[in-house]
Amino acid sequence: AQKVTQAQTEISVVEKEDVTLDCVYETRDTTYYLFWYKQPPSGELVFLIRRNSFDEQNEISGRYSWNFQKSTSSFNFTITASQVVDSAVYFCALSGINNAGNMLTFGGGTRLMVKP
Amino acid sequence: EAQVTQNPRYLITVTGKKLTVTCSQNMNHEYMSWYRQDPGLGLRQIYYSMNVEVTDKGDVPEGYKVSRKEKRNFPLILESPSPNQTSLYFCASSLGGAGGRIGPRPEQFFGPGTRLTVL
Repeated sequence: AQKVTQAQTEISVVEKEDVTLDCVYETRDTTYYLFWYKQPPSGELVFLIRRNSFDEQNEISGRYSWNFQKSTSSFNFTITASQVVDSAVYFCALSGINNAGNMLTFGGGTRLMVKP
Repeated sequence: EAQVTQNPRYLITVTGKKLTVTCSQNMNHEYMSWYRQDPGLGLRQIYYSMNVEVTDKGDVPEGYKVSRKEKRNFPLILESPSPNQTSLYFCASSLGGAGGRIGPRPEQFFGPGTRLTVL
């Protein structure tokens, strides 16, 4: 069975603060994929990043960065200099190589509120 | 513009009245899925399709049907909707699967969502 845990249900920060969203996962697959999605107040799900289990290189995209640590089964997401537009629910998700139908297992989400 | 579209975006209906939610993607993706999102339960897969005429059940398929007659379309059918199917529904597509023949292209792109209320 697979499981994704996002222990922080809600985070509130003031604009320009840095914020890290935690994600811890469980899987028996030796090859798997991790994702982050953003769900703004408008409701759509926006794909942010995919990380392969065999590639532990961290990634930075503008103000966003991701820290994948296989040893601790974590895939954390950091927003630097947060902005009001970053306010959303963020989901971490997992898909194993043996997942029929490419099924995503989602975490419960972290609601990020960025105040001006 | 590459996208996944769903229609309708909002629907209020009554118990037992058959309905179809359409989903279309213009990215030539092989995989398509339907998910529902419920408070406290998160996002769960209903059905998926790995290619034309290939569909299978996800985690919560009861009360739903799907078909994949064309690569771009993957409609979700509720033959006799019930109030417990009130939910936010998302269609998603991906070029390949985690272990698919195309190679790892498992990232799924989601449609805008359909908010369904069954009275």
